Amino acid sequence: DSGVTQTPKHLITATGQRVTLRCSPRSGDLSVYWYQQSLDQGLQFLIQYYNGEERAKGNILERFSAQQFPDLHSELNLSSLELGDSALYFCASSVENSYNEQFFGPGTRLTVL
Amino acid sequence: AQSVSQHNHHVILSEAASLELGCNYSYGGTVNLFWYVQYPGQHLQLLLKYFSGDPLVKGIKGFEAEFIKSKFSFNLRKPSVQWSDTAEYFCAVNAPDSSASKIIFGSGTRLSIRP
Repeated sequence: DSGVTQTPKHLITATGQRVTLRCSPRSGDLSVYWYQQSLDQGLQFLIQYYNGEERAKGNILERFSAQQFPDLHSELNLSSLELGDSALYFCASSVENSYNEQFFGPGTRLTVL
Repeated sequence: AQSVSQHNHHVILSEAASLELGCNYSYGGTVNLFWYVQYPGQHLQLLLKYFSGDPLVKGIKGFEAEFIKSKFSFNLRKPSVQWSDTAEYFCAVNAPDSSASKIIFGSGTRLSIRP
């Protein structure tokens, strides 16, 4: 158990819908990172927040957005869902604003039908 | 732009065999390098990392990796694998001095160990 929690574990929804994935970092960690893992794209970095502010952006689609709240938990919002958005979405956290040592959560498996 | 290549998609070994998984990156500046492991049904865990200093890095569970700057490589090694090493292994690179600092993962190498 890494100490990072993600909810829900599984999510099944339809195309065109909007979903919110939630991540709670390890106690004391200020950085939260979001990743997408799919069979065709592999593991892709989406976005990073540090202490409430966006710090780095990867291959995140415009239909996706994220935020980090004052209590440091983070949410990833996926809208206008497409079949290709089906993937495992991981959250990771670290103490500092660096990729030095990230602790990954168990992931949320999203299935878009 | 940074990129990472893991040329071995699936490696099958017998227990006690030696392991070397290839990782090559493309970026001309300073890099931080990582190897992560994902055991079946589990989350990613950091195996080892290289930031600076000794290019031979030792990680957990008997793994090590060598950073060879001239070859842009960071291959993962283990002298004697065990059945419990069956997992997917990801190499990753980060360019800390880049204005668009982000982390790039390779496509992963699936390692299967025959008991």
